[in-house]
Amino acid sequence: TQLLEQSPQFLSIQEGENLTVYCNSSSVFSSLQWYRQEPGEGPVLLVTVVTGGEVKKLKRLTFQFGDARKDSSLHITAAQTGDTGLYLCAEPNAGGTSYGKLTFGQGTILTVHP
Amino acid sequence: EPEVTQTPSHQVTQMGQEVILRCVPISNHLYFYWYRQILGQKVEFLVSFYNNEISEKSEIFDDQFSVERPDGSNFTLKIRSTKLEDSAMYFCASIRPGLTPGNEQFFGPGTRLTVL
Repeated sequence: TQLLEQSPQFLSIQEGENLTVYCNSSSVFSSLQWYRQEPGEGPVLLVTVVTGGEVKKLKRLTFQFGDARKDSSLHITAAQTGDTGLYLCAEPNAGGTSYGKLTFGQGTILTVHP
Repeated sequence: EPEVTQTPSHQVTQMGQEVILRCVPISNHLYFYWYRQILGQKVEFLVSFYNNEISEKSEIFDDQFSVERPDGSNFTLKIRSTKLEDSAMYFCASIRPGLTPGNEQFFGPGTRLTVL
């Protein structure tokens, strides 16, 4: 079973600061997704990365996929209080026989203080 | 915008009781999933369902668990005899491959199950 290690587990920063969250595996990812989850809601997809070395931007969020497809990072520039939440990396179809099954990392709880 | 809905939002039950968690996936989706998230732990896959049958289940999904899609609309998760360790948030999700970039899996808001 693919294990996804996320770090840090907790991140508490001031508004305006930058931050980076990491997702690593000992095995090669087929693809990787980043989700954001707010309290009382289900995860919502932010991005899917597929190609080694890929960089995707979503406003102030920058997602990188490592060249060897064994790691990924999420960088937030000038964090805002609205960025507070749980950030999850997940690999679709990590083994098994069913399409789309997601294996999640343990998540990073981000708190942005005003 | 279409969304996955789940009921109830919170279910409290006594140990040993049966519970049914209900989900209405997005109408044109084809694959359906249940996940759970124990407080403070990661989201874990339980089961996937396609073409009216289970396509994969995890070790967590033992004989006490079952899923049904009885009417082409609802997708239910039944726990026959709940245990304390079943207390968790249960998320339903659905997907239609090719519909969105990255084959986005759409999650419901979850049902918080508390077993006393």
